[in-house]
Formats: sequence, structure tokens, C-alpha cells
Amino acid sequence: DAGITQSPRHKVTETGTPVTLRCHQTENHRYMYWYRQDPGHGLRLIHYSYGVKDTDKGEVSDGYSVSRSKTEDFLLTLESATSSQTSVYFCAISRGGSTGDTQYFGPGTRLTVL
Amino acid sequence: AQRVTQPEKLLSVFKGAPVELKCNYSYSGSPELFWYVQYSRQRLQLLLRHISRESIKGFTADLNKGETSFHLKKPFAQEEDSAMYYCALSSRGGSNYKLTFGKGTLLTVNP
Repeated sequence: DAGITQSPRHKVTETGTPVTLRCHQTENHRYMYWYRQDPGHGLRLIHYSYGVKDTDKGEVSDGYSVSRSKTEDFLLTLESATSSQTSVYFCAISRGGSTGDTQYFGPGTRLTVL
Repeated sequence: AQRVTQPEKLLSVFKGAPVELKCNYSYSGSPELFWYVQYSRQRLQLLLRHISRESIKGFTADLNKGETSFHLKKPFAQEEDSAMYYCALSSRGGSNYKLTFGKGTLLTVNP
């Protein structure tokens, strides 16, 4: 499982509350990614990181922020959760350095915003 | 901008029948393509990538640059192949690397 964990695995929250999801890796990989998975949309990239304190937006970044203060942790924050952010969130890692690199995925976090 | 299209949301076949999951892409550069699989309520895992030209679990995929396709094939489907399959294209922007996924095809193999 490439040493990737996500926490929490399940969360139910209310609209307007802040939520932080954590991705932790033990592989020392440079690249980390956050995706959301929704029926009919597949996986969509939210944000990614290419090093400590180096992050960039993906295609669906509105309403989300990220931080990476150390190599092994990549945090995704919903500042004020909305029902449209109900989804399954996956973290992924890769070594980077080549377009042929494989991304390895975490187990996912199922978030429900009521 | 890159795009990956999987035209079939759902595909249902019988055990032992051939299966083909379609994937078409749009990309101005030299494509690096992958197939990922997600079994029920599990994490995504790499099935195969075109640069390694390997066969995993009996699946193969050939990159056809003329038709901009990377279809996934298996001659004899098994019930354990039932899963969600995603085609993905890797691209580079500066020194950053990203995957663009198709919307996925849910394969059901019936007994």
C-alpha cells in the first residue's frame, strides 16, 4: 500500500464547519496530490504539492486549501464545508521527475456534509 | 489542455467473454498513459502503464497514436475483474507532473 494513510477515514460534519483531512506517507516521495471522487466525474485533482511548502491548484480547487510543512504530511482543509463537498477524497503520492511515474493512492476519506 | 474520454460509464459482460474498455485522449505532447483499477470500496491501484508494455491479470493495452486511443482488453473476463476502471494521462507543466483521469467505466462480469 506504498505507506500512505489518510485520516479520518470517515467524517460527517455540518455545513459551515471547518474540516481538515490528513494524508501521511512513509515513502519520502516528493509529490503529493489530493483528489475528489464523485459519480459521473471520476477523479478530479484539487491541489498538489511538489515539495515542502510548494503547492499548486488543480482543476477543482475552489473552497479548498492545502499545506505541506513536512515531506510526509499533506493537509487538505475545507474552510467552511458545503454540501457540494460531500465526496470521497483520495490522497496520492509519486516520486516525480518523470511523466511515467506511477501515483500510489491512499485508502480514501468519505466526507459527508449535512 | 489534456483530456481523457472513457465513452462507456457501464459495461456488462459474461464470464469468459472478451472485454474491451475504451479510452481516448487529447494531448499535444508525447502521451504517457495508465490504467488504474478500483475494486469495490478499495483504493485505486495501478493496473498497467503503456511504457512498460506488460500484461497484468491478463489485461493488455496498446497505445495507438493515430487514433489517440489506449483501449484496455482482456480475452476472457473473470468475475473478479468486476471493478471501476480509470484511464489516465500524465502530463508535465514546468517541473510539475499531473494525472488527468477519465470519468471511469464500471465493469460488471456476470457469472
